[in-house]
Amino acid sequence: SQQGEEDPQALSIQEGENATMNCSYKTSINNLQWYRQNSGRGLVHLILIRSNEREKHSGRLRVTLDTSKKSSSLLITASRAADTASYFCATDHLPGSSNTGKLIFGQGTTLQVKP
Amino acid sequence: GAGVSQSPRYKVAKRGQDVALRCDPISGHVSLFWYQQALGQGPEFLTYFQNEAQLDKSGLPSDRFFAERPEGSVSTLKIQRTQQEDSAVYLCASSFRDSSYGYTFGSGTRLTVV
Repeated sequence: SQQGEEDPQALSIQEGENATMNCSYKTSINNLQWYRQNSGRGLVHLILIRSNEREKHSGRLRVTLDTSKKSSSLLITASRAADTASYFCATDHLPGSSNTGKLIFGQGTTLQVKP
Repeated sequence: GAGVSQSPRYKVAKRGQDVALRCDPISGHVSLFWYQQALGQGPEFLTYFQNEAQLDKSGLPSDRFFAERPEGSVSTLKIQRTQQEDSAVYLCASSFRDSSYGYTFGSGTRLTVV
């Protein structure tokens, strides 16, 4: 079953605004990854943050990780209509976990950016 | 190839029919993963291979589902006696080594069982 819970389930903003999506998970992780999925397409890897990192940036993306709260957030700054997609967090688990070796995905946040 | 290739892109099967879904991973990627994605949901893990070895098949929903990767490259997911609840998008992903390196996904096969 899925590990992560994402919040909000859906988000609608105007172009130029920032979008923030949150992800929570249950058991200790090795790293956490964010993916984007355009309608009818496969998932595209956006960014990976390791358990010993607290923040990471890639272009207009900023990811934070709080392992004490078992949560992560993805911030997209200055959003564009082309950012419209579903965003998923995925957790990679420590050896010894029943989830070792595979990514466990959350339910996703659907982002709509209006021009 | 440059990316992960899946075929067919779309498949309509009559209930009870057997289907085979193919995945061509990125050349040199050791790990290959299959996921099932229902409409509006996140991908659910089915099984994964490291080279030709199937290391985890805990996500396969029933014994009607079978996956293989005999030479450590191309993989096939077979579903026998398809049922309506099997309707979903089946995603294949490959990774250079393991899940800690991030996945490259194919575009998926949309299976509709009628």
